Amino acid sequence: DAGVIQSPRHEVTEMGQEVTLRCKPISGHNSLFWYRQTMMRGLELLIYFNNNVPIDDSGMPEDRFSAKMPNASFSTLKIQPSEPRDSAVYFCASSHYQGVATGELFFGEGSRLTVL
Amino acid sequence: AQSVTQLGSHVSVSEGALVLLRCNYSSSVPPYLFWYVQYPNQGLQLLLKYTTGATLVKGINGFEAEFKKSETSFHLTKPSAHMSDAAEYFCAVTRTGGSQGNLIFGKGTKLSVKP
Repeated sequence: DAGVIQSPRHEVTEMGQEVTLRCKPISGHNSLFWYRQTMMRGLELLIYFNNNVPIDDSGMPEDRFSAKMPNASFSTLKIQPSEPRDSAVYFCASSHYQGVATGELFFGEGSRLTVL
Repeated sequence: AQSVTQLGSHVSVSEGALVLLRCNYSSSVPPYLFWYVQYPNQGLQLLLKYTTGATLVKGINGFEAEFKKSETSFHLTKPSAHMSDAAEYFCAVTRTGGSQGNLIFGKGTKLSVKP
């Protein structure tokens, strides 16, 4: 079975440019999460969706960040304009919500973003 | 506020030695607890989890963890380290008052295994 698929795996861009990260969750999963990982701050939850609806976006750093989930099989995280401090690895994860907080998240391999 | 503390950002053991990675949490209600492992250039994968019931939980690759409520701990152990265990390990707790699957992660412990 295919896991969570993220693209691109690596992105190098210049400050001020728009960045779009993409995620395809595992088929049948109805919850999707975006995390950011840095050496300084570790893993931070940015936003998560249940049934394509954003539930909690309190982790989104600022208005430069936006996320969408137009359907059950696709999500994007956009940064516009990008800044050097946005450099990090961005992970997408999905899970199947069955009414119990099992917390078993399936992670993609991440998108490593470098903003020069 | 909930939190997860992993003692030691880097642990080094010899092959065949005991692995002990420490995790303490704070939570106002009984939590669900997890250990995830991250190999280089990969995403996190679930190693084991505690939800309810038996406090000693066995996971993949010979790892296990014990939930000790009185100590608010969930330490990860493996009797004999293997070179392939070298990775970063994250302890996590379910965020209470929020929706399912919303986890708070510790900062991670990088495990090195010496031959």
